[in-house]
Amino acid sequence: EIVLTQSPGTLSLSPGERATLSCRASQSVRSSYLAWYQQKPGQAPRLLIYDASSRATGIPDRFSGGGSGTDFTLTISRLEPEDFAVYSCQQYGTSPWTFGQGTKVEIK
Amino acid sequence: QLQLQESGPGLVKPSETLSLTCTVSGGSISSSSYYWGWIRQPPGRGLEWIASIYYGGSTYYNPFLKSRVTISVDTSKNQFSLKVNSVTAADTTLYYCARHYCGAGGCYGGRGYFDLWGRGTLVTVSS
Repeated sequence: EIVLTQSPGTLSLSPGERATLSCRASQSVRSSYLAWYQQKPGQAPRLLIYDASSRATGIPDRFSGGGSGTDFTLTISRLEPEDFAVYSCQQYGTSPWTFGQGTKVEIK
Repeated sequence: QLQLQESGPGLVKPSETLSLTCTVSGGSISSSSYYWGWIRQPPGRGLEWIASIYYGGSTYYNPFLKSRVTISVDTSKNQFSLKVNSVTAADTTLYYCARHYCGAGGCYGGRGYFDLWGRGTLVTVSS
């Protein structure tokens, strides 16, 4: 199976700063079939990005995704207070579909 | 607005069978564009995809749990369900149900991303 490794494990930033999260795959992700999710305690996870760079419905344009092959990034251009959460990547190019272990974005 | 809600026992004894149900409201489970899936999140670890099902009954499983898991769908009730046999403490975790979008190319091989999730239900395996 494809193992997704996210880095860093924790990102400590202030509101207004830029966040760059990495997701590295153990082998190439077919057709850039990679998604990003936001998780907050007690809430349903939310889809942010699919197909590596397409924003899901209703997602603000401060969220952007990029990359291909084995290296992908999620960028939050200017952190808003509601953006502090855990972010996970998922590949759906090769079964079984797998997730990264998550990056926590916390308030510095 | 479509919503998903997990339901289940909360507490299950070791070696017994865990049964979870996801109720879909605000829309039909019988859509040609979606699968319906289960994902779990063990403590301190990343999310794990368990299984997905198409409304017509096609099923897709993660090999790591396939021998103990069964997913099913009941279109008349707009629900889908998960059974995990012979549970152990390792099955103690938060379980999510989710809508699993196939993508513009249609539904093939269980592929897709999870575009709508339930809030999750915590299952504890303990005697």
